Amino acid sequence: DQQVKQNSPSLSVQEGRISILNCDYTNSMFDYFLWYKKYPAEGPTFLISISSIKDKNEDGRFTVFLNKSAKHLSLHIVPSQPGDSAVYFCAASVMGGGADGLTFGKGTHLIIQP
Amino acid sequence: ETGVTQSPTHLIKTRGQQVTLRCSSQSGHNTVSWYQQALGQGPQFIFQYYREEENGRGNFPPRFSGLQFPNYSSELNVNALELDDSALYLCASSPGTRVGDTQYFGPGTRLTVL
Repeated sequence: DQQVKQNSPSLSVQEGRISILNCDYTNSMFDYFLWYKKYPAEGPTFLISISSIKDKNEDGRFTVFLNKSAKHLSLHIVPSQPGDSAVYFCAASVMGGGADGLTFGKGTHLIIQP
Repeated sequence: ETGVTQSPTHLIKTRGQQVTLRCSSQSGHNTVSWYQQALGQGPQFIFQYYREEENGRGNFPPRFSGLQFPNYSSELNVNALELDDSALYLCASSPGTRVGDTQYFGPGTRLTVL
């Protein structure tokens, strides 16, 4: 039973345009969400996070939106750059449950086309 | 660069054997978590160690065990290897156990079980 779902295995976006990556979750106990980026032969790298008390968090070109009622979050990248081509993982956790680890989705492979 | 290293990079074992994977955390990070990433899946939480004690575990059998040492190194041991244990094994270090403490991942060890 997948508790964090990324339904798009891949996404192709033109350089300079907006990339929107989506993530859905089923466990209503989750209250902290993260996005990680992974290049081949490297470990995942933390990008941005959001807690359930917020509905938006911004860091430079990256913005994460959280819709708690829909159990949905999205990552917006504006403008998209060639170096953004990577696999993006959505992850979730319970704030008080750090020892429970992160629950990851399967990832979305973002391809930025020149 | 995260400063988290893992060894070996690749490993091939046969079913029934035992394997030890190693991780060197960032200096000052008292928490290490291990994840298993099967092909086409997101990382799945195995367990977490804090100050040399296991303090959280995912849905993995007891033949997956670990050790954490005072010098910020750690091990993942898997006994009685099965074909389904073939995966990328990632370790992640963080300064504490809170969910808000960013986890820094190593590049992983690719284990193949024949």
